[in-house]
Amino acid sequence: SQELEQSPQSLIVQEGKNLTINCTSSKTLYGLYWYKQKYGEGLIFLMMLQKGGEEKSHEKITAKLDEKKQQSSLHITASQPSHAGIYLCGADNLRGGADGLTFGKGTHLIIQP
Amino acid sequence: NAGVTQTPKFQVLKTGQSMTLQCAQDMNHNSMYWYRQDPGMGLRLIYYSASEGTTDKGEVPNGYNVSRLNKREFSLRLESAAPSQTSVYFCASSENWGAGYGYTFGSGTRLTVV
Repeated sequence: SQELEQSPQSLIVQEGKNLTINCTSSKTLYGLYWYKQKYGEGLIFLMMLQKGGEEKSHEKITAKLDEKKQQSSLHITASQPSHAGIYLCGADNLRGGADGLTFGKGTHLIIQP
Repeated sequence: NAGVTQTPKFQVLKTGQSMTLQCAQDMNHNSMYWYRQDPGMGLRLIYYSASEGTTDKGEVPNGYNVSRLNKREFSLRLESAAPSQTSVYFCASSENWGAGYGYTFGSGTRLTVV
């Protein structure tokens, strides 16, 4: 089974609507990262969460880590065309070693005008 | 600008050819990583180097070798390229291994094997 489950796989949202992307693990998350990727480009760091119940916001994007530290959500308010792309969650040391980030499969977000 | 530099940005290889992807960071980071990204698969770890002088296999190491040349540089070598290695390759670095240090990614190398 996938160590980091991301849902939904794809999302089509009308411009101006809110949306939520989820990232779930069966293991405790000690560092949870959210990245955005424009098609054909590199990764853009959005936010990192470490503490249970932590919430961070940047412009219209809010990320939360639940109290149990096994699930994170990314919420976009009043979506805009600039929000379109692939959103990736990544977790530190999910396999218990020094092997960096383990990623979910990503969520493709399309914003319809 | 400080960061992770990958070369080349694009490459087309014929099956059986070899090549080395270069990665260098100027942030004095201890740990470096190589990932590949395929459609619908997220990023998967190929090899990593927790500190200078060490390298370890990640999730998908078959067909690849790495060299941590010094603290700055971490190269990825394809000895005999196969079409299954067509992918986008990302190098990353972090101050140290462990949770919460943050990661800096390069802009990627788009490799096509024909």
